[in-house]
Amino acid sequence: EDQVTQSPEALRLQEGESSSLNCSYTVSGLRGLFWYRQDPGKGPEFLFTLYSAGEEKEKERLKATLTKKESFLHITAPKPEDSATYLCAVQARSNDYKLSFGAGTTVTVRA
Amino acid sequence: DTEVTQTPKHLVMGMTNKKSLKCEQHMGHRAMYWYKQKAKKPPELMFVYSYEKLSINESVPSRFSPECPNSSLLNLHLHALQPEDSALYLCASSQGTGGLSYEQYFGPGTRLTVT
Repeated sequence: EDQVTQSPEALRLQEGESSSLNCSYTVSGLRGLFWYRQDPGKGPEFLFTLYSAGEEKEKERLKATLTKKESFLHITAPKPEDSATYLCAVQARSNDYKLSFGAGTTVTVRA
Repeated sequence: DTEVTQTPKHLVMGMTNKKSLKCEQHMGHRAMYWYKQKAKKPPELMFVYSYEKLSINESVPSRFSPECPNSSLLNLHLHALQPEDSALYLCASSQGTGGLSYEQYFGPGTRLTVT
């Protein structure tokens, strides 16, 4: 069974204080790893897809990286508007449709 | 444009009511999904439609009945719900299923309260 573990559960940062979120996964053949951002009471917003170890993708202050066992989401010089829950999900090669989600990391950035 | 729309935004219904949730996408996506999300938990998959046919039912109780009238629309019909069914219901779509790994784009959700 696919497993996704995110850490930490919660992260409180001062504005400008860079940090990283971790997503450890166990999957029988990775098809893709996804990062989403979710604001309270809203649907998840797609951020990145990573397919193979060594791949990196960036968007504004966010950078996602992938190894064979984990993915990191780096937040550089965060702003209060980066406050959200960040969800990691994996899709296995054996599965055409299902995403296995982690429990998420809730990030709070104080001005 | 990567927009999925859902109506209504909020819904309060009694346990004897019948109501429907609606979802629409105009991205030409051929797969559509219904998820249920409880507070502080990740989304849980309920149903998958691929090319307008029901592909997956994740053992969802029959009081939830999905419908895909065409490739752009997805409905979720609700009947005789229980208070524990109160949750955020999310619709999502992707280019397809299988083959490449297609990212799913989520709508804003319908906040459902069952009284």
